Amino acid sequence: KQEVTQIPAALSVPEGENLVLNCSFTDSAIYNLQWFRQDPGKGLTSLLLIQSSQREQTSGRLNASLDKSSGRSTLYIAASQPGDSATYLCAVPQPGGTSYGKLTFGQGTILTVHP
Amino acid sequence: KAGVTQTPRYLIKTRGQQVTLSCSPISGHRSVSWYQQTPGQGLQFLFEYFSETQRNKGNFPGRFSGRQFSNSRSEMNVSTLELGDSALYLCASSSGGEDFGPGTRLTVT
Repeated sequence: KQEVTQIPAALSVPEGENLVLNCSFTDSAIYNLQWFRQDPGKGLTSLLLIQSSQREQTSGRLNASLDKSSGRSTLYIAASQPGDSATYLCAVPQPGGTSYGKLTFGQGTILTVHP
Repeated sequence: KAGVTQTPRYLIKTRGQQVTLSCSPISGHRSVSWYQQTPGQGLQFLFEYFSETQRNKGNFPGRFSGRQFSNSRSEMNVSTLELGDSALYLCASSSGGEDFGPGTRLTVT
């Protein structure tokens, strides 16, 4: 059974800091890994999708890396802003499956960026 | 392109009642998945439909059911509601990578 762990559970930083969120998974036979952002009471917004054949993906101030062999992914946020405050979740599809559905999520990292 | 839409956005029901939630996927997406999110359990997979067929199912009791129509729209139904069913129910559609809707907040009293 796939298990996903995110560290740290919560993070509070001053504006402008660069920060790293970690995600680990137990079964490396994944098709892809996805990072999401969730604002309180809202749905999930997809940030980055990394295919299993890729090592990293970048979008603006966000960079995500994937190391399948060690079962780890890292989300790097550069020059953090108060608007980045949210819960960040990583998720992987079922091992050996397709890229569709049945995601297993980590418990999330609650990020607070204060001015 | 229009995103995933879910209706209703908020719902209050009484124990023992049943409820139906609706999800319209992004145009062209044939896979629709449902998730339950609670503070204690986090996000948990309910089921996935692809071309009107249930392809995957999570570990939820039979009170939770779903279906998908020929236009890819999906509904999920919860019968005999319990207090523990209070949650945010999220729908996602996919063409490789999931796009989530805003969710339906269900409160059972």
